[in-house]
Amino acid sequence: NAGVMQNPRHLVRRRGQEARLRCSPMKGHSHVYWYRQLPEEGLKFMVYLQKENIIDESGMPKERFSAEFPKEGPSILRIQQVVRGDSAAYFCASSPGDGPQPQHFGDGTRLSIL
Amino acid sequence: QQQVKQSPQSLIVQKGGIPIINCAYENTAFDYFPWYQQFPGKGPALLIAIRPDVSEKKEGRFTISFNKSAKQFSLHIMDSQPGDSATYFCAASKRGNNNDMRFGAGTRLTVKP
Repeated sequence: NAGVMQNPRHLVRRRGQEARLRCSPMKGHSHVYWYRQLPEEGLKFMVYLQKENIIDESGMPKERFSAEFPKEGPSILRIQQVVRGDSAAYFCASSPGDGPQPQHFGDGTRLSIL
Repeated sequence: QQQVKQSPQSLIVQKGGIPIINCAYENTAFDYFPWYQQFPGKGPALLIAIRPDVSEKKEGRFTISFNKSAKQFSLHIMDSQPGDSATYFCAASKRGNNNDMRFGAGTRLTVKP
């Protein structure tokens, strides 16, 4: 998993606060994907981004969640007004380009909502 | 809508055994099928992948068998070791669709010494 860097590794927030999760893709990768994983469950696709563009956000809740991948800097997954149900592990993956290619994952951010 | 169904949910084998994990997909447009291995506290790591133009792919002790007509594929781990104990995910994606990858629910494998 070296290469895709996610931070923070653990994030604790109180209900109503904002959570910001960061992801730096592997060098040379221009495609970023965010997934959510609940305990004992698989990975649920949230959003797919390229530099400065959201390509597919069909898996992301319409409210409170947003994602960006600016021209410079990491991709950010932002959760506003967090609720207990947002507690999960959030994983970022990257790939070098379009089409069916392997996605390389970071070690995730474990978000806990008090 | 679950597009990739994985079974079993959990699996326990003795060291040296051959665990088999099965996946079935619905969308015939899928044409790339990777398997990921995940250890606790870590992100999924790509293990092995197959495209539908072959029926089998082997890398070390890991083998994928692919049955295009049945829309099924499976992972076999030869001579399993306690270090193989992890959660395994199958996935599928389709060409030209922005790498939209769908994951199975995962199989927790325990290899007993």
